[in-house]
Amino acid sequence: DTGVSQDPRHKITKRGQNVTFRCDPISEHNRLYWYRQTLGQGPEFLTYFQNEAQLEKSRLLSDRFSAERPKGSFSTLEIQRTEQGDSAMYLCASSATEPEAFFGQGTRLTVV
Amino acid sequence: GQQLNQSPQSMFIQEGEDVSMNCTSSSIFNTWLWYKQDPGEGPVLLIALYKAGELTSNGRLTAQFGITRKDSFLNISASIPSDVGIYFCAVLTGANNLFFGTGTRLTVIP
Repeated sequence: DTGVSQDPRHKITKRGQNVTFRCDPISEHNRLYWYRQTLGQGPEFLTYFQNEAQLEKSRLLSDRFSAERPKGSFSTLEIQRTEQGDSAMYLCASSATEPEAFFGQGTRLTVV
Repeated sequence: GQQLNQSPQSMFIQEGEDVSMNCTSSSIFNTWLWYKQDPGEGPVLLIALYKAGELTSNGRLTAQFGITRKDSFLNISASIPSDVGIYFCAVLTGANNLFFGTGTRLTVIP
């Protein structure tokens, strides 16, 4: 296992369309996180899973955002009715019992 | 709300020089981490600190967890061109997620 994998790396979508991103964590990691990063800022927490349970959600995660981790392995992040303000890098990270989180390369979303 | 202030915001140094950057918080945190991010990539974990006063090294990198648990320092010795990037500090919050600082952008001039 070479690390956290995210797909796609880049996504351009028209405003109002739905998009879905996938994250495959490091295989023995039971914790999975989604973060969002805009230009010039540090990553901001969106949501956190321990196994298949979604334990935390940020206020940044509006009703248009939904995340799942159905079998406690890979996770998906869906954004419905995308807006231009959703343009950002979406980062997935995973960790074992330690708090050290390992990040994927991210999915860069551009809403036009 | 919580804030992690990193300084300097950016720095330009000559290859071979040592670098020092810091991260301060108004709140106490028990776990501090340092990440490096290259353009278009995700952050890469450099060092994790778990104990106040702890000094930890990873190759040319050395980080310290402040005794007050409100700050941390990262030093890079003998900088090389591949040290270029943005360095973020992060803390583990009570909600088991990471809160990131504002970043220090490092440029190394060959």
